[in-house]
Amino acid sequence: DTEVTQTPKHLVMGMTNKKSLKCEQHMGHRAMYWYKQKAKKPPELMFVYSYEKLSINESVPSRFSPECPNSSLLNLHLHALQPEDSALYLCASSQGLYTGELFFGEGSRLTVL
Amino acid sequence: AQTVTQSQPEMSVQEAETVTLSCTYDTSESDYYLFWYKQPPSRQMILVIRQEAYKQQNATENRFSVNFQKAAKSFSLKISDSQLGDAAMYFCAYRPGKLVFGQGTRLTINP
Repeated sequence: DTEVTQTPKHLVMGMTNKKSLKCEQHMGHRAMYWYKQKAKKPPELMFVYSYEKLSINESVPSRFSPECPNSSLLNLHLHALQPEDSALYLCASSQGLYTGELFFGEGSRLTVL
Repeated sequence: AQTVTQSQPEMSVQEAETVTLSCTYDTSESDYYLFWYKQPPSRQMILVIRQEAYKQQNATENRFSVNFQKAAKSFSLKISDSQLGDAAMYFCAYRPGKLVFGQGTRLTINP
């Protein structure tokens, strides 16, 4: 069983829509991550939260807006996306920002029409 | 800059045979972690094995083992007794800080 849960698993949206991806973990991890993965490519880091504060933003366009309401939840708000934003979005968590392995969710497959 | 290189985009092996996936990395850090992740078509990234740089002993997890050569900055993964369920994309990764991934090796298992 995955210990990082992502919803929805699939999402189709138009370029004018607003939607959100959600991620939840109950392992007591203090660092949470959003990655974007295109087909046949490695994941690319987007954002990192540590102790509910944004630690790293990899120069991601403002049409992606992360939010960490508490230590167990991580959201990614999507607005005015482009077709090239279609990808698999992976959430991950780790015990700390600099140590240990990352645990990944199953991902949310996003298609922007 | 920290980089991870996987020089084999694709590999194939007969079921029950052994296969080795290569990975090299570049870093000026002395303390770090190395990982191998597996991503099957179901798409979830699954941790296969981890290695702390300060540990000289190579990590093993059942049929999976690594050959960690710190001076050479090499971290290869050996899969013994390959099974059909091992078919996946395998990513080598490095941290501390950001998790830096290699480009991946697609492993096919032939029955």
